[in-house]
Amino acid sequence: SQTIHQWPATLVQPVGSPLSLECTVEGTSNPNLYWYRQAAGRGLQLLFYSVGIGQISSEVPQNLSASRPQDRQFILSSKKLLLSDSGFYLCASAGTQNSPLHFGNGTRLTVT
Amino acid sequence: QKEVEQNSGPLSVPEGAIASLNCTYSDRGSQSFFWYRQYSGKSPELIMFIYSNGDKEDGRFTAQLNKASQYVSLLIRDSQPSDSATYLCALRGGGADGLTFGKGTHLIIQP
Repeated sequence: SQTIHQWPATLVQPVGSPLSLECTVEGTSNPNLYWYRQAAGRGLQLLFYSVGIGQISSEVPQNLSASRPQDRQFILSSKKLLLSDSGFYLCASAGTQNSPLHFGNGTRLTVT
Repeated sequence: QKEVEQNSGPLSVPEGAIASLNCTYSDRGSQSFFWYRQYSGKSPELIMFIYSNGDKEDGRFTAQLNKASQYVSLLIRDSQPSDSATYLCALRGGGADGLTFGKGTHLIIQP
């Protein structure tokens, strides 16, 4: 079975600072990878997904970007954080496009 | 635009009773349906998935799907205090573009 590693678990960053969140997956090859955000009191919002190395699809236009430099590595970045970027960031993996998503433990980001 | 609607709750159920969680969706092209459990401060964990109309049972959990009515439900039998959590309904269309989630129902099992 696959294991999804995310770090850090918590992060406090000032407005205007950069961001880099990393996700790595074990136990599967060529997974579909996803970044979701869950803001306080709100549902899970899909930010980006990737079906392969270098292939990124964006669901919501914003100041975030994603990259997939290796098959099982997915990175979420920002050049300048906004207060509205605060939330719980979750990386998810699916073995195939029809498989359920499995989530990492998430990163709780607070922008101050 | 896919929409998934859930009653936010809280839904309070006595220990040992059946908890019934409901979900409706707008996109008739949705093909697969999922239930996740999320404890406070934790990431969602998959409970069940269902692709075909009817019932699917796994231990104390039963998922029910009615595509004609665009309705998915989750039944939890013999509810335990450890079942207290937020339950997220999710669906997928035909592509690789992830799951669309409802906002979840907060379930409280009262001892």
